[in-house]
Amino acid sequence: DAGVTQSPTHLIKTRGQQVTLRCSPISGHKSVSWYQQVLGQGPQFIFQYYEKEERGRGNFPDRFSARQFPNYSSELNVNALLLGDSALYLCASSLVAGNQPQHFGDGTRLSIL
Amino acid sequence: TQLLEQSPQFLSIQEGENLTVYCNSSSVFSSLQWYRQEPGEGPVLLVTVVTGGEVKKLKRLTFQFGDARKDSSLHITAAQTGDTGLYLCAGGSGAGSYQLTFGKGTKLSVIP
Repeated sequence: DAGVTQSPTHLIKTRGQQVTLRCSPISGHKSVSWYQQVLGQGPQFIFQYYEKEERGRGNFPDRFSARQFPNYSSELNVNALLLGDSALYLCASSLVAGNQPQHFGDGTRLSIL
Repeated sequence: TQLLEQSPQFLSIQEGENLTVYCNSSSVFSSLQWYRQEPGEGPVLLVTVVTGGEVKKLKRLTFQFGDARKDSSLHITAAQTGDTGLYLCAGGSGAGSYQLTFGKGTKLSVIP
């Protein structure tokens, strides 16, 4: 079975631009979470979606938004990019919502110039 | 805000040595998860502990959850080069919580 897949793997943007990152969960998993991992740090929780509804939001500005589609895939959108948004963005899926053990994708490396 | 502190931040040891890494908090967690992350990849779940005092073994890895569910440790016996990676602990706060709180990780290098 395929694991969590994320696209693109790498992305370079400039300040002020907008970006959309995509995630497909493991088949049968209905919950998708997004994390930001800055170099040298652990992942920081951004959002969790379950059954297309936002179930949790971390301490991130409104420039960050997400949605989940009927097939349980998800997109993370970041507007008005800042240099500090440069990070590895990880998507994780689980069977149900909550702080369940997460199955992570390999992430999207976003670099802001 | 719940915080998880991991120590040491960096650890470099020779193959065959034993080591212990720690994950501490002032907050109580309903569960604690350990992950290993290799460069260019996402974290991979190693174990989940949920009961205070619980000990779980995964081959040469031994995980322990503190009695008060505020801390955890990971002990590796006879480390191998394949154990190299970033070890992350993550805590869950229980029912109604959707957020996993991660520590900054311990970066382990096992030298042949």
